[in-house]
Amino acid sequence: AQTVTQSQPEMSVQEAETVTLSCTYDTSESDYYLFWYKQPPSRQMILVIRQEAYKQQNATENRFSVNFQKAAKSFSLKISDSQLGDAAMYFCAYRRTRSNDMRFGAGTRLTVKP
Amino acid sequence: DTAVSQTPKYLVTQMGNDKSIKCEQNLGHDTMYWYKQDSKKFLKIMFSYNNKELIINETVPNRFSPKSPDKAHLNLHINSLELGDSAVYFCASSQERQLATNEKLFFGSGTQLSVL
Repeated sequence: AQTVTQSQPEMSVQEAETVTLSCTYDTSESDYYLFWYKQPPSRQMILVIRQEAYKQQNATENRFSVNFQKAAKSFSLKISDSQLGDAAMYFCAYRRTRSNDMRFGAGTRLTVKP
Repeated sequence: DTAVSQTPKYLVTQMGNDKSIKCEQNLGHDTMYWYKQDSKKFLKIMFSYNNKELIINETVPNRFSPKSPDKAHLNLHINSLELGDSAVYFCASSQERQLATNEKLFFGSGTQLSVL
């Protein structure tokens, strides 16, 4: 069974600072995809960034980047230059290849302080 | 233009009632999903439909029945509502039957169901 664990229920960061959200996962598969989704108070789930397991290079999307450690099964999200609009729940998710079943972690609530 | 829309956004009802949540996507996608987010914010897949065919059916009480009249709609009907059904239910869609490498899910804004 695949499980996704987010060990930080809550995190806070000062505006303009950098914060890292942790995620670990458990799988016996070698090929899979990892995602970070953002859920603001509006409840809309928004894809932030994704990573293919076969790629060694860490994905980046503007101020968002990941640290993908395949051997350690770790997939952390780094948010640089944090903005007030980054405040939200962040969900780490896993999906194995050729599957429509997305598995989510329990989420981390990020607060951004002005 | 809303890509994936769910109605209603909020639903408050009594235990034992039957209720439906509707979902529509205007993206031309072939596959639609229902996810449940419990009070601890944990998001779990319930069902997946491709072109009106059920392709994922997780262990969900048979009081929950998805209905897909066409590929743009996937409604969720819940019979004999229980207190534990209180949660936020998310509809989502994707292009293909099989999620492609770079494909992402498009989520609706959720329906908050409260069973009293």
